[in-house]
Amino acid sequence: GAGVSQSPSNKVTEKGKDVELRCDPISGHTALYWYRQSLGQGLEFLIYFQGNSAPDKSGLPSDRFSAERTGGSVSTLTIQRTQQEDSAVYLCASSLGLANYNEQFFGPGTRLTVL
Amino acid sequence: AQTVTQSQPEMSVQEAETVTLSCTYDTSESDYYLFWYKQPPSRQMILVIRQEAYKQQNATENRFSVNFQKAAKSFSLKISDSQLGDAAMYFCAYRSAGGGADGLTFGKGTHLIIQP
Repeated sequence: GAGVSQSPSNKVTEKGKDVELRCDPISGHTALYWYRQSLGQGLEFLIYFQGNSAPDKSGLPSDRFSAERTGGSVSTLTIQRTQQEDSAVYLCASSLGLANYNEQFFGPGTRLTVL
Repeated sequence: AQTVTQSQPEMSVQEAETVTLSCTYDTSESDYYLFWYKQPPSRQMILVIRQEAYKQQNATENRFSVNFQKAAKSFSLKISDSQLGDAAMYFCAYRSAGGGADGLTFGKGTHLIIQP
């Protein structure tokens, strides 16, 4: 079946603009995760969803970042007033449930470049 | 908080040879999961192997095996009979087995080069 998909694959934006990154998880996967991969910080966990709920948003880097999930499926990560330090690859993953032994399946990521 | 350390930014091995990638971690928890992920240039992270901390037996998946030393908090990956397709970034990752859902904690990665 289809894997996790993310769009766009690449996004170039100007500093100060808002961007939306989309993640489409594997069908039937109730848990969804966002990570950020940057040269300086490596791979950082940002937020997870169980269904449409994100109980803990403390991993988001600043209040310019927000995420939502609708219908227990597609999720969007929104970055407002982008800054150059937001440049990174944003990875999404999904799993069957939140149980910690469940394998997380990753998408190909969105490379965000803020000029 | 847990931390994962990969001390080898880059490793190189001849095709068909064996290579070992190192990983150490720090945690106060007794139950957890450890993973090795592969990230080729396509960027898509692929699970290579998984180890449950409560299992003493080292996990094996075909040419990939781990050496899990719980007391030393060490989790190395051995790749036997290296193939050109094994060239990629390899990330060691940790996840708590406790209640609550956390994301994976990753190391900085090791870039594996396969010499033909």
